[in-house]
Amino acid sequence: GAVVSQHPSRVICKSGTSVKIECRSLDFQATTMFWYRQFPKQSLMLMATSNEGSKATYEQGVEKDKFLINHASLTLSTLTVTSAHPEDSSFYICSAHDRGGYGEQYFGPGTRLTVT
Amino acid sequence: GQNIDQPTEMTATEGAIVQINCTYQTSGFNGLFWYQQHAGEAPTFLSYNVLDGLEEKGRFSSFLSRSKGYSYLLLKELQMKDSASYLCAVTETGANNLFFGTGTRLTVIP
Repeated sequence: GAVVSQHPSRVICKSGTSVKIECRSLDFQATTMFWYRQFPKQSLMLMATSNEGSKATYEQGVEKDKFLINHASLTLSTLTVTSAHPEDSSFYICSAHDRGGYGEQYFGPGTRLTVT
Repeated sequence: GQNIDQPTEMTATEGAIVQINCTYQTSGFNGLFWYQQHAGEAPTFLSYNVLDGLEEKGRFSSFLSRSKGYSYLLLKELQMKDSASYLCAVTETGANNLFFGTGTRLTVIP
């Protein structure tokens, strides 16, 4: 099956610094990737849709200048949390859309971000 | 907009059958997915329904009624490892993104 990797799996950073999270589709090309945030015991909240070679589409309430998304190739999307604050601490999950099959999304293993 | 509802928590006994319901209201409904998510892990794909009816896959089955905006996930012969959150998600016509429900946290007890 399709595999999506995320790096790093866990990161702790100080308030005010920036953190970059990578999402890679390992065995298929993904023209579209999605970034989600999940708080404890809550469901996934879509943050933005990342399209290869174009600007990301952000959901309402998500600051595009704070959460920078780059989808430079068909297998890589990055999310940079800029000037992180403790309230940004969360589980960030990416997914890649498979154009074949059902068009389902394959999820990465997630990145646990803790801002101190 | 989308409105997707699931029960927050359910408890069932090992070996039993449990049904997790999902109701949705969305414009331009295309299809419905069920995902399983263990704590601290990414969701894994369970099933996809686009037409009315029941899709069976081993111990798991998923049902869809488009006219009623209703789906359920049926888990048979429950095992302890089935304790997880089960997420209902819908897609809309012309869009690839998933809209997730609140998720149902299932606890399987001996």
